[in-house]
Amino acid sequence: QSVLTQPPSVSAAPGQKVTISCSGSSSNIGNNYVSWYQHLPGTAPKLLIYENNKRPSGIPDRFSGSKSGTSATLGITGLQTGDEANYYCGTWDSSLSAVIFGGGTKLTVL
Amino acid sequence: EVQLVESGGGLIQPGGSLRLSCAASGFTVSSNYMTWVRQAPGKGLEWVSVIYSSASTYYADSVRGRFTVSRDNSKNTLYLHMNNLRAEDTALYYCARGTGSSGYEFDYWGQGTLVTVSS
Repeated sequence: QSVLTQPPSVSAAPGQKVTISCSGSSSNIGNNYVSWYQHLPGTAPKLLIYENNKRPSGIPDRFSGSKSGTSATLGITGLQTGDEANYYCGTWDSSLSAVIFGGGTKLTVL
Repeated sequence: EVQLVESGGGLIQPGGSLRLSCAASGFTVSSNYMTWVRQAPGKGLEWVSVIYSSASTYYADSVRGRFTVSRDNSKNTLYLHMNNLRAEDTALYYCARGTGSSGYEFDYWGQGTLVTVSS
């Protein structure tokens, strides 16, 4: 059971928009930055968002991040079949003194 | 170009030891914070350990006391020393480079090295 809660799966049609939520507490999301990663099992995870809403170079602006209180959200617009992957939120938990990841959300582009 | 290449995984019996390596190029390991993250079969990402440029380290509860992260500055390589391995340590182990000032966000990842703990 992860400290950060994500929906197990989300789905949407190509071209549509989807959001993935990440819920935590004051010891993690509430007082620390949130990052988001895209991952296909067996491959290297890819950083999509860091410091809540910043995109590394090369990440298209179809991907966006936001944070409010103890929750964070990843938004993906203009969905493409290539976006099918698992998405993880991550942050620091000050009580655990540990990096933590959400349980992951599988995105299906129908 | 930043690259991370993990090696050292394999089949090991419960109670055994293994050392994973993460050879870095395109940046200096000692000037960045670095992490190990693993993914067990059918499971999500699980953070294992982080080492900062100051050499301070942190570990997940599940590995503390059994795993040790270190680096060799002359080889620009990160290591994970794993002792007293258990079946639940079976996973694909990734190393990654830290980015920004947060201390817990990672921008470049390797392809992983597989550790299987089984008799």
